[in-house]
Amino acid sequence: DGGITQSPKYLFRKEGQNVTLSCEQNLNHDAMYWYRQDPGQGLRLIYYSQIVNDFQKGDIAEGYSVSREKKESFPLTVTSAQKNPTAFYLCASSMGSGRDQPQHFGDGTRLSIL
Amino acid sequence: AQRVTQPEKLLSVFKGAPVELKCNYSYSGSPELFWYVQYSRQRLQLLLRHISRESIKGFTADLNKGETSFHLKKPFAQEEDSAMYYCALTGSWGKLQFGAGTQVVVTP
Repeated sequence: DGGITQSPKYLFRKEGQNVTLSCEQNLNHDAMYWYRQDPGQGLRLIYYSQIVNDFQKGDIAEGYSVSREKKESFPLTVTSAQKNPTAFYLCASSMGSGRDQPQHFGDGTRLSIL
Repeated sequence: AQRVTQPEKLLSVFKGAPVELKCNYSYSGSPELFWYVQYSRQRLQLLLRHISRESIKGFTADLNKGETSFHLKKPFAQEEDSAMYYCALTGSWGKLQFGAGTQVVVTP
């Protein structure tokens, strides 16, 4: 089944702990994205990557970090510096980063603080 | 700055009635606009985009540059249309700016 796979589905973090959310795609897409979804706020862009070994900050990058060592993988680390990490995180990809390129989304990871 | 506004958080309609989801945007250039939909227990997916000028599942959306709007319409709502709908805009590159979303509930 082609598409985007996010894992885990649910994740719990202790205070002061870093956690990493996985995102893998087998669509051969160049561009990948991470969004944060909070109730009543829609989706907000955390980081994006237009090509392997390159990534850029989105609107709310503070407290997060990413890597793009492989085309198919774009993991997101939520660091202890992120003071309000409880949210639903969505990963997406698109064939290119052109303006008319639709994005394909994963099922999401729900992160909660213990 | 680019912004997308969906003024209705919740829209409740009866089956067979028309439904219109409002979307207004602000962007200084020529925008690319999309509607994404999330059905219960499914992933967020593209519904339609203005560049295609297509009708998907009976939904249409017309870009009105004068009113800076991209409202989504369907003449006869069905129960399976119950979902969360997001209007989104891309600016200078592929960065999507989402609205807050509208929850549509279609009752029989």
